Amino acid sequence: DARVTQTPRHKVTEMGQEVTMRCQPILGHNTVFWYRQTMMQGLELLAYFRNRAPLDDSGMPKDRFSAEMPDATLATLKIQPSEPRDSAVYFCASGLGSTEQETQYFGPGTRLLVL
Amino acid sequence: SQKIEQNSEALNIQEGKTATLTCNYTNYSPAYLQWYRQDPGRGPVFLLLIRENEKEKRKERLKVTFDTTLKQSLFHITASQPADSATYLCALDSNDYKLSFGAGTTVTVRA
Repeated sequence: DARVTQTPRHKVTEMGQEVTMRCQPILGHNTVFWYRQTMMQGLELLAYFRNRAPLDDSGMPKDRFSAEMPDATLATLKIQPSEPRDSAVYFCASGLGSTEQETQYFGPGTRLLVL
Repeated sequence: SQKIEQNSEALNIQEGKTATLTCNYTNYSPAYLQWYRQDPGRGPVFLLLIRENEKEKRKERLKVTFDTTLKQSLFHITASQPADSATYLCALDSNDYKLSFGAGTTVTVRA
């Protein structure tokens, strides 16, 4: 049963520290999305890759957030330095990115708390 | 500005009844609309997709309608069960396979 995996599942850190979240998309999926979910803002798209190339990161605070795909099996989201307002659940999702299959498959999320 | 609005209140219904959720949108021209289910502590899970040229889609006890004139989708859970209790999110394609999500409606089915 193919699924998206994310690590860590939970992270507690102090303000100013670097946070790295990792995602392994479903094998064969060519689109990868990073979302952030909070009670106030709901699910927001941060960044989006196709075939490992970044297509849109307009939802991301550029000064502190960065997203990369070093290879087809790994996507990373980094926050440096982290701030309390970054506390949220971060989801990775992957998909086939085709007109026949637009579904996104979400991972379990990384719950981040910045103190 | 673009907006997606779902039922603002949580929905509490009796087991066996039909739950109806609404998703209204402004300033989008989606080619399709999707519905996802999210359980506490988990990621959203895809349920149904309906395209702009389709009026209705069904999957087991779920039914979705899509009215591009009204800019509205309705999501029905028939013969509801306590296991249907979750948050349901509607999502619109905004461009190039990106999705914009509504805030979600939390459904609680009482036994």
